[in-house]
Amino acid sequence: DTVLTQSPALAVSLGQRVTISCRASKSVSTYMHWYQQKSGQQPKLLIYSASNLESGVPSRFSGSGSGTDFTLTIDPVEADDIANYYCQQSNELPFTFGSGTKLEIK
Amino acid sequence: EVQLVESGGGLVQPGRSLKLSCAASGFTFSDYNMAWVRQAPKKGLEWVATISYDGSSTYYRDSVKGRFTISRDNAKSTLYLQMDSLRSEDTATYYCARHDATVVYYFDYWGQGVMVTVSS
Repeated sequence: DTVLTQSPALAVSLGQRVTISCRASKSVSTYMHWYQQKSGQQPKLLIYSASNLESGVPSRFSGSGSGTDFTLTIDPVEADDIANYYCQQSNELPFTFGSGTKLEIK
Repeated sequence: EVQLVESGGGLVQPGRSLKLSCAASGFTFSDYNMAWVRQAPKKGLEWVATISYDGSSTYYRDSVKGRFTISRDNAKSTLYLQMDSLRSEDTATYYCARHDATVVYYFDYWGQGVMVTVSS
């Protein structure tokens, strides 16, 4: 299985830029996607295929990377961005998710 | 507006069965591959199963193979997950999710989830 590794938590000040990383145990090309999950809610798609912004998602969110290293960037961070962020690969079965990064405000 | 509404969750004893349903609306259900994704309490997301748009192909994670069956009724725009021989480790919120139309296999819409608790 492709294992996706994320940092457990990040603390950032409002208005600043934050990058959330996701490293894959093997190349997934650009079959990497990002989701936001707020407390008590279902996940929401933010970025698909590494760098494509889902319709309706603010342009403060962006994604980059290919192969094994990927990043989700939020710039600037707003209070509404407090959530868990998950990466997911669809290069091979089983589809796998990272363990999530909890974004906290300093 | 795309809507996915799960039902059928609850408390069940180990070894017993439960069937989840997901009613879809706001899009042409028969055009999309669909999936179930679960999340154990305070844990991360875990893909469970995927079914093709016409039901001809199904895919499962190893830990549920032979115990869970994903199916769909396109006439009713409904997705199902039959869960047999349930174990305590199957305790989770189960989300119905739509795969993207381009067959890249990300999840572009999610239901609100339904809780399944396996306990004696």
